[in-house]
Amino acid sequence: EVQLVESGGGLVKPGGSLRLSCEASGFTFSSYTMNWVRQAPGRGLEWVSSISGKSSFIYYADSVRGRFTVSRDNPKNSLFLQVNSLRAEDTAVYYCARVPSGSYSDYWGQGTLVTVSS
Amino acid sequence: EIVMTQSPATLSVSPGERATLSCRASQSVTSNLAWYQQKPGQAPRLLIYGASTRATGIPARFSGSGSGTEFTLTISSLQSEDFAVYYCQQYNDWPTFGQGTKVEIK
Repeated sequence: EVQLVESGGGLVKPGGSLRLSCEASGFTFSSYTMNWVRQAPGRGLEWVSSISGKSSFIYYADSVRGRFTVSRDNPKNSLFLQVNSLRAEDTAVYYCARVPSGSYSDYWGQGTLVTVSS
Repeated sequence: EIVMTQSPATLSVSPGERATLSCRASQSVTSNLAWYQQKPGQAPRLLIYGASTRATGIPARFSGSGSGTEFTLTISSLQSEDFAVYYCQQYNDWPTFGQGTKVEIK
């Protein structure tokens, strides 16, 4: 069974940083591109970042480029999102999701909430 | 950026009735379109990819159609568990989502 479990969210002040993690199980993690997608409270979904299986290709949304860094540790079946210089508008639930092909996501974690507030 | 526009914002439907949801792209996305269902407090669930292919385990009452800029998700006979918010997403370019259609009980 495919499982994705995010962690690392929390309350942080504007300008602060967090490291989000996603632990994967039930599939060959290194064979899949992974997405981070976020959802602000009461709002829709926003793609944040993608990383290919061997980290050869990495992409970011314009809204986070230069502030967020995605990485992965394949032997540990783990995906990460380092979020720096946080702003109030980064407040959201952050989901990790598996990409079977293209850029759609077939399995999603339960999400981790990041709240940016003073 | 490709803008995805969903309509209507809210759809009121009685159980057992058909629901038709629309998604329009600001430019062609060929068939690179997915549909997701999201219930309160839950992660999105993939329903359809490639505009018309049902994901694993998705009931046959869900169907997708369209290509280019116009897409439709049809739920043939709404069950109680289908009342949720539905999002379309294009992946022909940098991924973008529609704003969602809430399907509520009439």
